[in-house]
Amino acid sequence: DTGVSQNPRHKITKRGQNVTFRCDPISEHNRLYWYRQTLGQGPEFLTYFQNEAQLEKSRLLSDRFSAERPKGSFSTLEIQRTEQGDSAMYLCASSPGTAEAFFGQGTRLTVV
Amino acid sequence: GQNIDQPTEMTATEGAIVQINCTYQTSGFNGLFWYQQHAGEAPTFLSYNVLDGLEEKGRFSSFLSRSKGYSYLLLKELQMKDSASYLCAVRDPRGGSYIPTFGRGTSLIVHP
Repeated sequence: DTGVSQNPRHKITKRGQNVTFRCDPISEHNRLYWYRQTLGQGPEFLTYFQNEAQLEKSRLLSDRFSAERPKGSFSTLEIQRTEQGDSAMYLCASSPGTAEAFFGQGTRLTVV
Repeated sequence: GQNIDQPTEMTATEGAIVQINCTYQTSGFNGLFWYQQHAGEAPTFLSYNVLDGLEEKGRFSSFLSRSKGYSYLLLKELQMKDSASYLCAVRDPRGGSYIPTFGRGTSLIVHP
């Protein structure tokens, strides 16, 4: 499968724990986006990478959130000291330049 | 700032035609996307408009008027499998990032 891959698909964690999600974009896609989606809402932008450089971060991204894309390939999104309000679907998307973005299946996070 | 508005929900009959509208007010514009999202799945790309006019692709067509900040997605010969959320996304050049911003989505219910 050559699509965008996200792991894990589901994550249940206790409040206060740290979690890390991984995204493997489509090969040679230089742009990578992280979005968060809650039920009944559209995806909300979190952060954007062009190759390994993190070029933009939403104000939604508190200091508990950090993202990396070492070597411009896969990306990780870490949430520290999780809160119940962090429960959502975390979507990763990639695109080759300015063409349309292709989404992964997402990681559904539940904080209990 | 970004403001993208779509109806929350629409219903239609199998075999009919439905038009889903999207209006937007954004600081910049570099294209409008429509995505389809089935419950629990990733958004999948449907269409892209950057110039005014109608783009047709099989049963789906998308229209754009940049002067009016308006787009619509037209679905013909509706099938039960078209029941899904339809997301309108506007891309803003903002410093070269070209990040798509999504509306909340329109939930389409197709009934027999």
